Amino acid sequence: AQSVTQLGSHVSVSEGALVLLRCNYSSSVPPYLFWYVQYPNQGLQLLLKYTSAATLVKGINGFEAEFKKSETSFHLTKPSAHMSDAAEYFCAVRPSGSARQLTFGSGTQLTVLP
Amino acid sequence: KAGVTQTPRYLIKTRGQQVTLSCSPISGHRSVSWYQQTPGQGLQFLFEYFSETQRNKGNFPGRFSGRQFSNSRSEMNVSTLELGDSALYLCASSLDGGATNEKLFFGSGTQLSVL
Repeated sequence: AQSVTQLGSHVSVSEGALVLLRCNYSSSVPPYLFWYVQYPNQGLQLLLKYTSAATLVKGINGFEAEFKKSETSFHLTKPSAHMSDAAEYFCAVRPSGSARQLTFGSGTQLTVLP
Repeated sequence: KAGVTQTPRYLIKTRGQQVTLSCSPISGHRSVSWYQQTPGQGLQFLFEYFSETQRNKGNFPGRFSGRQFSNSRSEMNVSTLELGDSALYLCASSLDGGATNEKLFFGSGTQLSVL
């Protein structure tokens, strides 16, 4: 079964610094990949998704992710962190074929320091 | 357009009881999925409904069940509650769930506490 691994359950950055959240997938076939964000006491919101049209995917709120097949990675980045980016971030994979559910990583809690 | 609505927002039950959670998808969306979120297990897929039929099911015991109505609203039921069922239950809707890169829209969830 396809899965994703998020390295680092907690990441702290200073306001204005680069945000890098890591996600690696396990699949011999490029899967469908997503990044979701969850703010406290809220549901999940889609940041971006990989559709195979381009390896660099731009999402909302200034986030982007690069699909690297050779490294089986789909890391999330943002050039300059803002206090409002503090949240939990989930990488997810949706297997190709008939299965329609998302398999989520364990999440990374992002703290932005003033 | 209203988002995905889940009710109730919070729920407290005792062991052995049963509970029903409700989810109203975005208007026009026909696919509804349910996920359980716990600190220990993270986000896990429960099941997915489309046109009143369960299309996909995760690895949960039979105490967890669901249904979907003709207006696409969905309910999930947990019978004989256990302490480990305490979790945030998230509902997500999409147009038809058929495309593998289709966007899911999540509700804010129902926080269930089992005492």
